[in-house]
Amino acid sequence: GAGVSQSPSNKVTEKGKDVELRCDPISGHTALYWYRQSLGQGLEFLIYFQGNSAPDKSGLPSDRFSAERTGGSVSTLTIQRTQQEDSAVYLCASSYGERNQPQHFGDGTRLSIL
Amino acid sequence: QKEVEQDPGPLSVPEGAIVSLNCTYSNSAFQYFMWYRQYSRKGPELLMYTYSSGNKEDGRFTAQVDKSSKYISLFIRDSQPSDSATYLCAMSAVGGSYIPTFGRGTSLIVHP
Repeated sequence: GAGVSQSPSNKVTEKGKDVELRCDPISGHTALYWYRQSLGQGLEFLIYFQGNSAPDKSGLPSDRFSAERTGGSVSTLTIQRTQQEDSAVYLCASSYGERNQPQHFGDGTRLSIL
Repeated sequence: QKEVEQDPGPLSVPEGAIVSLNCTYSNSAFQYFMWYRQYSRKGPELLMYTYSSGNKEDGRFTAQVDKSSKYISLFIRDSQPSDSATYLCAMSAVGGSYIPTFGRGTSLIVHP
């Protein structure tokens, strides 16, 4: 079946612009996660959704970052007034809603801020 | 000390070798263990998912958990150049956070 789909796959934008990253999870997965991965670094957790609610948004690095999920499906991660340090790969994962279920990842959006 | 430690490598081996990739952890509550493979410019792909101690085999891959030593391993038999990737371990606790704890990954290079 279809996996986690992320778009765009690449995004280049100027510093100060806003960007929107989209994630379409696996059908039936109620849990959705956003991570950030910088070159040579590990996965940095950003936010977790259960359905349309975000019980854990502790990883969002600043108030420039926000995310929403609608219809228990598609999620959008928005970064306002982008900075060069926002350049990274943004990964989305989904899983069944129970604890300890393995996550399935998309291929990410490579974001470059000029 | 990080909750999950993983040597970043790179680990370079000849084709056909047996590869051992390892993670150590400090949280004795971890019960679920996962291994992911991440190719360059791709997302992590789930390889193995195990619960508690013991071994699990899937083709050329064997996942091993030693909870007494807080040590997990992924063995790759008859390694191939196509196995060249970064391997990440992840783990979570029963009743704990929904967010698993990931290692930073080990880069594996299998040369022909």
